[in-house]
Amino acid sequence: EPEVTQTPSHQVTQMGQEVILRCVPISNHLYFYWYRQILGQKVEFLVSFYNNEISEKSEIFDDQFSVERPDGSNFTLKIRSTKLEDSAMYFCASRTTFRGVEETQYFGPGTRLLVL
Amino acid sequence: GDSVTQMEGPVTLSEEAFLTINCTYTATGYPSLFWYVQYPGEGLQLLLKATKADDKGSNKGFEATYRKETTSFHLEKGSVQVSDSAVYFCALSERERRDTGRRALTFGSGTRLQVQP
Repeated sequence: EPEVTQTPSHQVTQMGQEVILRCVPISNHLYFYWYRQILGQKVEFLVSFYNNEISEKSEIFDDQFSVERPDGSNFTLKIRSTKLEDSAMYFCASRTTFRGVEETQYFGPGTRLLVL
Repeated sequence: GDSVTQMEGPVTLSEEAFLTINCTYTATGYPSLFWYVQYPGEGLQLLLKATKADDKGSNKGFEATYRKETTSFHLEKGSVQVSDSAVYFCALSERERRDTGRRALTFGSGTRLQVQP
C-alpha cells in the first residue's frame, strides 16, 4: 500500500541553524500539508500546498518557514533560523483530489525535531 | 473558527471493556469528521471517517456516528484490547465550494487510551 515517507526520523540542531525536513508524498496525490505537534499538545496545521504554490497557511507559518517541491516527488519544509520553540514532531500529509468530494489526508511517520 | 473538543485523558480500561471517547466540534459549514490514531512512537493513522450527517464510520471494531444536531462524533468500541492502547485524535475538515487546496484538518487535543490486561 502506498505511504507517505519522511526523512530524517529524528533531527537535533542548534538554535539559529537552518533545517530542511523532507517528505515524499503518495505518488498520485496533488495536495500536500505540513502539521506539527509540540510534545503533549495537539496537532497543528502549518501549511498546505497545491499546484506549486501555498494555498493556505496558519499563523504559525511565519517568514522563518518555507516549503518547496523541488522535483516531482519530494516536498520539503525549511526552517531558516530555528528557535527552541520549534522543537516538535513535524508531520507531512498528502491527499488526492476529486472535485466536490472530501478525500482523506494520509500522514507520514513524522520527523522529531529537537532544537538545543 | 473551527474547533474540536475531546474528553481529556488518560482513559484507563480493562481488556474487553466498552470504550467511549467524546468529541464535539464547532464549524461554520458542513465538515467531514475523522478519527486518527497514534500508536506509541508512530505517526497518525486514519481510523475512520464520516462525510455527512448521520453517516457512521467504522473500522477495526471502532465506530463513530456524525451527529449534526449535537455536533458530535463520539468514538466507541464494544470490547477494547491491549493493542488499542494509543492516542486518539478527533479532527474535522471543512469543505470548500471550489477545490482550492484548503481543507486543512483541525484536530482535537487527543485522548490517551490505556488498556490493561
